[in-house]
Amino acid sequence: EVVLTQSPGTLSLSPGERATLSCRASQSISGSYLTWYQQKPGQAPRLLIYGASSRATGIPDRFSGSGSGTDFTLTISRLEPEDFAVYYCQQYGSSSYTFGQGTKLEIK
Amino acid sequence: EVQLVESGGGLVQPGRSLRLSCAASGFSFDDFAMHWVRQVPGKGLEWVSGISWNSGNIAYADSVKGRFTISRDNAKNSLYLQMNSLRPEDTALYYCVKDFQGGSHFSWFDPWGQGTLVTVSS
Repeated sequence: EVVLTQSPGTLSLSPGERATLSCRASQSISGSYLTWYQQKPGQAPRLLIYGASSRATGIPDRFSGSGSGTDFTLTISRLEPEDFAVYYCQQYGSSSYTFGQGTKLEIK
Repeated sequence: EVQLVESGGGLVQPGRSLRLSCAASGFSFDDFAMHWVRQVPGKGLEWVSGISWNSGNIAYADSVKGRFTISRDNAKNSLYLQMNSLRPEDTALYYCVKDFQGGSHFSWFDPWGQGTLVTVSS
């Protein structure tokens, strides 16, 4: 099973700052199936980025994804108040999915 | 607008069974794979099971294999999860999720329902 490790566990930043979230896989994975989700309190997760770098419909261009192999990154260029949430990465392979443990992005 | 509405959650004793349902609308249900994902309140996400559009491709997480059965009824636009031999560690919010891509292959998840809470406790 591929283990995804997200860092940091909690990221404290201010609106307007740049956020960089990391997702590291225990073995090389296909970037085609590396996905990022956003979850706000009391809400279901929402698709942000798929295929490592493609933004989902309606996602602002301040969100971007990058990476390959074992190292992937979600970047939020300029934080807006509504971006403070928990972010999960996910991978699919060998008929199974795994999620990272999440990064909580909180207001500093 | 895509809507996924889960039902069937509740309090159940260890070892008993429960069947979750998901009513789908707003898209061609029989064109897409579907999944169940669970989340212990305040914790992370765990994929439980997925089923292709024609039920020809079914997969389970190791943690539920042999105890849970996923199924679908395309005529009723409905997805199901039969959960047997429930354990306290199965306690979670269970989300019904639409696969992004159509066809037999699994991809990523969009959108998600609001979930139904399953509590396994004596």
